[in-house]
Amino acid sequence: EDQVTQSPEALRLQEGESSSLNCSYTVSGLRGLFWYRQDPGKGPEFLFTLYSAGEEKEKERLKATLTKKESFLHITAPKPEDSATYLCAVQAGYSTLTFGKGTMLLVSP
Amino acid sequence: DADVTQTPRNRITKTGKRIMLECSQTKGHDRMYWYRQDPGLGLRLIYYSFDVKDINKGEISDGYSVSRQAQAKFSLSLESAIPNQTALYFCATSDLGATNEKLFFGSGTQLSVL
Repeated sequence: EDQVTQSPEALRLQEGESSSLNCSYTVSGLRGLFWYRQDPGKGPEFLFTLYSAGEEKEKERLKATLTKKESFLHITAPKPEDSATYLCAVQAGYSTLTFGKGTMLLVSP
Repeated sequence: DADVTQTPRNRITKTGKRIMLECSQTKGHDRMYWYRQDPGLGLRLIYYSFDVKDINKGEISDGYSVSRQAQAKFSLSLESAIPNQTALYFCATSDLGATNEKLFFGSGTQLSVL
């Protein structure tokens, strides 16, 4: 059974204070690892797909990395508008996605 | 206009009532999904459909049914609603021709069963 564990459950940062969110996974035959951002009252919005260990992708202040067991979402010099819940999901083979429970990020000015 | 539209946005109903949540999309995607989201439990898959003639159960299909009326329309029904079906429901789509399951979500329907 595919499993995705995200940590921490919640994270509070000061504006400009860099940090990382973790997504550890257990899956047979990883086809892709996904990061989504979800704002309150809205649907998740796609951020990145990572396919193989060693891969990195960046978007503005966010950088996602992937190893064989986990992925990190690094947030550099965050701003209040980065506050959201960040979801990680994995796809094994041609199956549907398995989501983690998310990390709620709050960035204070 | 939103690519994935869910109606209604909010619904309050009583135990035992039948309700339907609707989803339509203009993305031209073949695959459509229904998820529910509960605090502390994350997103869980209810049903999914890879084309009009294909319906598959997800992780938590008991108490739910779906109908794929057209490529662009996928509805979720609760035949006899119960309080533990109170949740935020999301419809999502993905492209059959894509190399992976990149999902596009609607804005959600908040359902409360009293």
